[in-house]
Amino acid sequence: DAKTTQPPSMDCAEGRAANLPCNHSTISGNEYVYWYRQIHSQGPQYIIHGLKNNETNEMASLIITEDRKSSTLILPHATLRDTAVYYCIVRGANAGKSTFGDGTTLTVKP
Amino acid sequence: DGGITQSPKYLFRKEGQNVTLSCEQNLNHDAMYWYRQDPGQGLRLIYYSQIVNDFQKGDIAEGYSVSREKKESFPLTVTSAQKNPTAFYLCASRTGTGATRHGYTFGSGTRLTVV
Repeated sequence: DAKTTQPPSMDCAEGRAANLPCNHSTISGNEYVYWYRQIHSQGPQYIIHGLKNNETNEMASLIITEDRKSSTLILPHATLRDTAVYYCIVRGANAGKSTFGDGTTLTVKP
Repeated sequence: DGGITQSPKYLFRKEGQNVTLSCEQNLNHDAMYWYRQDPGQGLRLIYYSQIVNDFQKGDIAEGYSVSREKKESFPLTVTSAQKNPTAFYLCASRTGTGATRHGYTFGSGTRLTVV
């Protein structure tokens, strides 16, 4: 699995968009980008994933650069309940395991 | 509803004792995983299993053991050889084929404390 790099922490004002970056410069052609979030003392929760194209669902949008070496998770209107640790991982469709780094701690402030 | 269940939620162990953490899933997922999380840190992979009766060591397998006798169950034993077992343990599962819509499904975790 390709290694990912994320900033350790970010702040965002409530109601504003939160843009969380992830660098995955060693990603290979068949690897997907997945995003998860973990609210304190709970198991991580899936948010979104993508291969090449930008993706959007009810929770967030995922923007992947054309060279696929980085991506951005966008929470369009952050709320206090979005305060969590966000993990970006890269994994092939049938890969046996994934490596989770330390993620980005997002703090949404009133 | 389908899901993945970890029990117990909190577990206390005396030094020198083995303890087993339960993980059960009814999602019909092929692969199951155990991760360890220490305060303020990310998830580290202990063991994983892609099919029944087969499992592989992750990055920090020393002091742990697992079994996969049934597709639904992947118990983790923390042995006395694990020198610092106090941590939050997370179990996850994933269907074995294709880029699934949801990737990993995680349980709610077991917090193990050595007393």
